[in-house]
Order: sequence, then structure tokens, then C-alpha cells
Amino acid sequence: EAGVAQSPRYKIIEKRQSVAFWCNPISGHATLYWYQQILGQGPKLLIQFQNNGVVDDSQLPKDRFSAERLKGVDSTLKIQPAKLEDSAVYLCASSSNSGRGDEQFFGPGTRLTVL
Amino acid sequence: AQSVTQPDIHITVSEGASLELRCNYSYGATPYLFWYVQSPGQGLQLLLKYFSGDTLVQGIKGFEAEFKRSQSSFNLRKPSVHWSDAAEYFCAFYNFNKFYFGSGTKLNVKP
Repeated sequence: EAGVAQSPRYKIIEKRQSVAFWCNPISGHATLYWYQQILGQGPKLLIQFQNNGVVDDSQLPKDRFSAERLKGVDSTLKIQPAKLEDSAVYLCASSSNSGRGDEQFFGPGTRLTVL
Repeated sequence: AQSVTQPDIHITVSEGASLELRCNYSYGATPYLFWYVQSPGQGLQLLLKYFSGDTLVQGIKGFEAEFKRSQSSFNLRKPSVHWSDAAEYFCAFYNFNKFYFGSGTKLNVKP
């Protein structure tokens, strides 16, 4: 089965610019996660979707970050405007459902550099 | 507060030697516990998980982990390390629809 797809793999922008990342989860997976992984740290959950509804976005900086999952399939994460501290790898993951910590399958990530 | 601690940032072992990576969690009840591995430029891959039952859990690639409630630990072990095991390893736990990841341990393998 195809894994979690993410694009682009790399992105370099200047501060105050906007950027968008795309994620296509494994077919049939109801739950989709976006994580931010800053160099030297573990992944930090930004937002979790169950189908097309938001389950948890408590750590999403909503003044500049937004995410949507239209039709409960693929998802887009946007940053507008970007700051230097947003430089990180953005990981998308999906799981079949959100009960009992079902295994998450991770995409390769998008490495964002903000200059 | 709920948290996961991986006290070792870097570990270097010789190929063929045994390995133990430490993980401690802070949570009142028994959480669901996981170990993930991340190779350079790759996403995270699940090695093993513990929900309940037998406290010694077997995973992929010859890894195992032992849950010790008295020590709030879930250490990852491998009896003989291969050069391909060089990667970063993350411990995580799950509670109330949220995963908490540790800061990771980077494993180097000497030939």
C-alpha cells in the first residue's frame, strides 16, 4: 500500500513570506496529524484531524498557522507570515482511527528553512 | 504534567555490541508507550508498542523494550547492533488522543 505522501520535500523562504505544505494520508485512514520537528527535538503535535473535523489544535499558533482537511482526505498546512523560528521539518502522519493510540504512519516530511 | 524524557542525547556503540536506550515517562496511570526510529531524511517508523499485558515487548529489526511500572521506564534494547541501526530513536506515549514524544537519542555505530 502507498505510504503517506508529502510535498514539497524542501522549501526555502524569507521571513514574512507565506508557505503551504500538502499531505496525502494512507487511503482509508481517518486520522491525520501535522507535527513540527525542530532540529534536536522530538515531534510536536500541531493539529490532529478526525476525518475533516479538528480533534486537537491546542499547540497550533493560530495567528500564523492554519490547516484544513477538506473532504476528509488530503490536508494542507499553511504558514503566513513565516518567522525565523518556524524553520523545522513538518511531518504528516495518519492512522486508521484515534482510539488507543493506533500506529501512526509518517510521511518523509517537508524541511522548511526561513531566512 | 505529562512528559517523556530521554536522558541520553547521543550514544555511540560498536557494531555487534548490545544497546539500551532509556526512556522515562511522567503520567499517573499506565500509558500506551511506543518507540519510533527516524533515519536521516526519513519519517518516523514504529519499532514497537506497549498497551498492556506482558511487560517485555518484541518489535521489528530485533528490538525489544521492557515496561517497568515501578521505575516509570520503557527502555529499548537490542542484543547486537548493526551499522544500519544508526539513526535517531524516539520514545512516545499516548493519552487522550494525543502523542507525546521525547527529544530523541541519536545512535552512532562504530565499525
